[in-house]
Amino acid sequence: QVQLQESGPGLVKPSETLSLTCSVSGASISSYYWSWIRQPPGKGLECIGYINDNGSPNYNPSLKSRVTILVDTSKNQFSLKLSSVTTADTAVYYCARARLRTTVKGGFEIWGQGTKVTASS
Amino acid sequence: DIQLTQSPSFLSASVGDRVTITCRASQDISSYFAWYQQKPGKAPKLLIYAASTLQSGVPSRFSGSGSGIEFTLTISSLQPEDFATYYCQQLNSFPLFGQGTRLEIK
Repeated sequence: QVQLQESGPGLVKPSETLSLTCSVSGASISSYYWSWIRQPPGKGLECIGYINDNGSPNYNPSLKSRVTILVDTSKNQFSLKLSSVTTADTAVYYCARARLRTTVKGGFEIWGQGTKVTASS
Repeated sequence: DIQLTQSPSFLSASVGDRVTITCRASQDISSYFAWYQQKPGKAPKLLIYAASTLQSGVPSRFSGSGSGIEFTLTISSLQPEDFATYYCQQLNSFPLFGQGTRLEIK
């Protein structure tokens, strides 16, 4: 079955760039939409952005100036970079796959287990 | 920008109870709407999509209804494994989650 696994540093210094990778197994990353979603401690869920291997990424307007999401089809991975982090970026970061191939309007069906990232000096 | 208001934020109920959670959107989002269940330390799980379609493998005691601006999630007879936090999500524009409803055992 399809599985997603987040990886990357668990600690990032304020003002630096957070970098995470989501490795996809059990299916090709081609087709479908892929997303990054985060959850600050004790708080709700926030969609950071999403991408497929053909189109442009779509970013949360509140984070757009700091976010880059890319797909690497050769490695069957997609990545997240969030620049100029502050303590407000401390969260569990999830990668997820949309339920439908051509749109995110059907929700997110498959999720990674999440990785905790702390922004602290 | 679309706003989502989920209520209640906290719900205390007993095994066997029927419970309803509501989400209201600030504008018409058709049926591009989903519900998720999240247990502590775990990733969210998709329960319902297209406002009322049960995701494969989800028990039939879960149901969703609504379209336009008001949506509900109903659990017909609470089971011990249903005590969790529930989130709504609108998908008509950039995905946005509701604030969450924490469902606890009375």
